[in-house]
Amino acid sequence: DIQMTQSPSSLSASAGDRVTITCRAGQTIFNYLTWYQQKPGKAPKLLIYEASSLQGGVPSRFSGSGSGTDFTLTISSLQPEDFATYYCQQSYTAPWTFGQGTKVEIK
Amino acid sequence: EVQLVESGGGLVRPGGSLRLSCAASGFTFSNYWMHWVRQPPGKGLLWVSRINAVGSTTDYADSVKGRFTISRDNAKNTLYLQMNSLRAEDTAVYYCARVKVLTGTTFEFWGQGTLVTVSS
Repeated sequence: DIQMTQSPSSLSASAGDRVTITCRAGQTIFNYLTWYQQKPGKAPKLLIYEASSLQGGVPSRFSGSGSGTDFTLTISSLQPEDFATYYCQQSYTAPWTFGQGTKVEIK
Repeated sequence: EVQLVESGGGLVRPGGSLRLSCAASGFTFSNYWMHWVRQPPGKGLLWVSRINAVGSTTDYADSVKGRFTISRDNAKNTLYLQMNSLRAEDTAVYYCARVKVLTGTTFEFWGQGTLVTVSS
């Protein structure tokens, strides 16, 4: 199984801050990397697919980059509605595995 | 509008069985591979199983292989997960998910989830 490791596990930030979350795959997954946002009690929401493609309807302050084993999710200017947990997922091969999550909290 | 609505969760004793359903609408269900993903309370996301568009190909996580069976009824636009020999570690919210492209593995749409609790 491909292990996905996110860092940090949690962070505190203020509205307007630039936030960066990293995800490392245990082996190359090319650009088969997806980012999701999950709020408490809700289903995950697709943000970024194929490492850097923005899902329709997702604000442009979200961006993704990387390839191979190292990937980044960036929120350019954190908004109040962005406080949530973020997960990366490799969509390269079965079993499809997720990172452990990064909880973005209000500072 | 794409909608996925899970049902069938509940409290079951260890060793028991449960069948989850996921009713799909707003898209041509029979064109898409479908997945189940679960989330234990307070923990992260875990992929469980997938099925191809016509129901002839299935895959499972090692943790559920031999105990869970995924199936679909394209005439009823419904996805199923039959769960047997349930264990405490199967306790989780179970989500059905539709892929972004017909055979892809990016989960574009998710249901609201149904909670399965395995406890004596």
